[in-house]
Amino acid sequence: NAGVTQTPKFRILKIGQSMTLQCTQDMNHNYMYWYRQDPGMGLKLIYYSVGAGITDKGEVPNGYNVSRSTTEDFPLRLELAAPSQTSVYFCASNGRDSSGANVLTFGAGSRLTVL
Amino acid sequence: LAKTTQPISMDSYEGQEVNITCSHNNIATNDYITWYQQFPSQGPRFIIQGYKTKVTNEVASLFIPADRKSSTLSLPRVSLSDTAVYYCLVGYTGRRALTFGSGTRLQVQP
Repeated sequence: NAGVTQTPKFRILKIGQSMTLQCTQDMNHNYMYWYRQDPGMGLKLIYYSVGAGITDKGEVPNGYNVSRSTTEDFPLRLELAAPSQTSVYFCASNGRDSSGANVLTFGAGSRLTVL
Repeated sequence: LAKTTQPISMDSYEGQEVNITCSHNNIATNDYITWYQQFPSQGPRFIIQGYKTKVTNEVASLFIPADRKSSTLSLPRVSLSDTAVYYCLVGYTGRRALTFGSGTRLQVQP
């Protein structure tokens, strides 16, 4: 099991450019999440999905879009990048682990800088 | 959504027991309490989960009083490698939006 895989790990964008952060999980989890974490701060929920074809806004959705065409993939799209979107982005999926606990499994993160 | 409140930071020394308390006054009946640990430049990772009373695993204990309005993560005999940010998260699978509080930054000194 690879768990949750995010690409790219690092990216520098110019203001106004767009890009997609990829997230894939191989645990067959229905619930998936995108968080952003600014330096020294906590995690803020951007969007989440409870299954293929179903997405909903979190705490800070402005400037982002998501889609969920398959159980495995949950890409996050940034349109018209702005310096305020400079952050580390974490994707996570939610499901039961081997002990029966309901656990969020996070990817390694994608560090995005907008200049 | 259940809001959580934790101390912003804590300091400890190697070998000491550390207790971090999280307040969650509006916890719902179906909610579990889960603690995560995050090192710099990494995603959070699961530590422990509980619903009520006490839960213990190989790395920590979780104490939850009968009213479930708070919980305490206990780390026995911390080491330098326990320096991290600790988050408590309240929710359950059916709760769609899982939001984190600000977390507690634990600094362990030699």
